[in-house]
Amino acid sequence: QSALTQPRSVSGSPGQSVAISCTGTSSDVGAYNYVSWYQQHPGKAPKFIIYDVTKRPSGVPDRFSGSKSGNTASLTISGLQAEDEADYYCFSKSGAFSWVFGGGTKLTVL
Amino acid sequence: QVQLVESGGGVVQPGGSLRLSCAASGFTFSTYGIHWVRQAPGKGLQWVAAISGDGHITNHADSLKGRFTISRDNSKSTLYLQINSLRLEDTAVYYCSIDGGVSQLTSWGQGTLVAVSS
Repeated sequence: QSALTQPRSVSGSPGQSVAISCTGTSSDVGAYNYVSWYQQHPGKAPKFIIYDVTKRPSGVPDRFSGSKSGNTASLTISGLQAEDEADYYCFSKSGAFSWVFGGGTKLTVL
Repeated sequence: QVQLVESGGGVVQPGGSLRLSCAASGFTFSTYGIHWVRQAPGKGLQWVAAISGDGHITNHADSLKGRFTISRDNSKSTLYLQINSLRLEDTAVYYCSIDGGVSQLTSWGQGTLVAVSS
């Protein structure tokens, strides 16, 4: 259950798009379409923003989108806004009843 | 609305034990699997354990097996995490979270802080 690999940090200017990758293996990200993403602001609990690789829970802006290719999932945030500045984590099923998080990515809005 | 309230955290010496609780309300508790997730100070999220809605299936992160035990009491709508032989590296905020599907941590508690210190 090694953590999924995410870039430590990404940045972008307001209005731009950024992508955050989440690389696993054929036993986790590559094996299941059960990747979800979470946004966490400092001092707050994480917030659920993407599930089943590409789906958005109700209330999450369509600026947030997800995708997957092979063992790598990605979260794309378009039309960056100041309030998007946060930490982002991917989460994947990694076995019959086992899961693993990514190491987390800090998004800075310049 | 859905509410999860963790409790039981505190300062404990290395080698000690704690039982964390997560009281749930606002949904049919026995219908959902629930996870424990922890976050060490300044670090990322770590999956700790999960339990099925009926409590029959459990699993724990490999690195924590043997010291951590997840359980639930559906009659009390409460989730538990028993932690034994606490280590300095167990210092973290511990969150409970509902799995609304598969790998869908839809709702989270506010967390409870466990601080292991001599």
